[in-house]
Amino acid sequence: DQQVKQNSPSLSVQEGRISILNCDYTNSMFDYFLWYKKYPAEGPTFLISISSIKDKNEDGRFTVFLNKSAKHLSLHIVPSQPGDSAVYFCAADRGSNYKLTFGKGTLLTVNP
Amino acid sequence: KAGVTQTPRYLIKTRGQQVTLSCSPISGHRSVSWYQQTPGQGLQFLFEYFSETQRNKGNFPGRFSGRQFSNSRSEMNVSTLELGDSALYLCASRRDLGATNEKLFFGSGTQLSVL
Repeated sequence: DQQVKQNSPSLSVQEGRISILNCDYTNSMFDYFLWYKKYPAEGPTFLISISSIKDKNEDGRFTVFLNKSAKHLSLHIVPSQPGDSAVYFCAADRGSNYKLTFGKGTLLTVNP
Repeated sequence: KAGVTQTPRYLIKTRGQQVTLSCSPISGHRSVSWYQQTPGQGLQFLFEYFSETQRNKGNFPGRFSGRQFSNSRSEMNVSTLELGDSALYLCASRRDLGATNEKLFFGSGTQLSVL
């Protein structure tokens, strides 16, 4: 039972364009969402997060949007850069820093 | 400041064997979590240790176990290995249980192959 789903295994965009990575969840108890970025041969690193009391959080080129009614969140990267090429994991948490539930990841390739 | 260190980097084992993986957290971090990454399932939570006690546990069989030492270093053990245990095992540390998951730092992982 995949509670956090990233339905696109891969995404390819041109440098300078917008990258949109999507994530859906099924567990309504989740109240905190995070995005992690992973390069090959490295562990995931935290990118950006959003609480369920917000619908948007922005950090530089990265913006996360949360639609609670649809149980959907998305990560926007604008403008995309070749160095953004990595696997992006969506993760969900439910109160008190409980264990993270991750999606399967989306491989983003940004072409020069 | 050194990051989370996992050893060994690669392991090859055969079915039925057991394996022990090691994780040294960032200095000063007392919580250590373990995750399994496979292409089919993504990252799945195994367990979390704090002050030598298991605090949280994921949905894995009893063949998967762990422990934490007084210096916060942690080991994970898998007994009676199965082919499906082939995965990247990631360790993550944070300062304490009150630290948010933004402050969760991952190691580079141990790639286990079971033949």
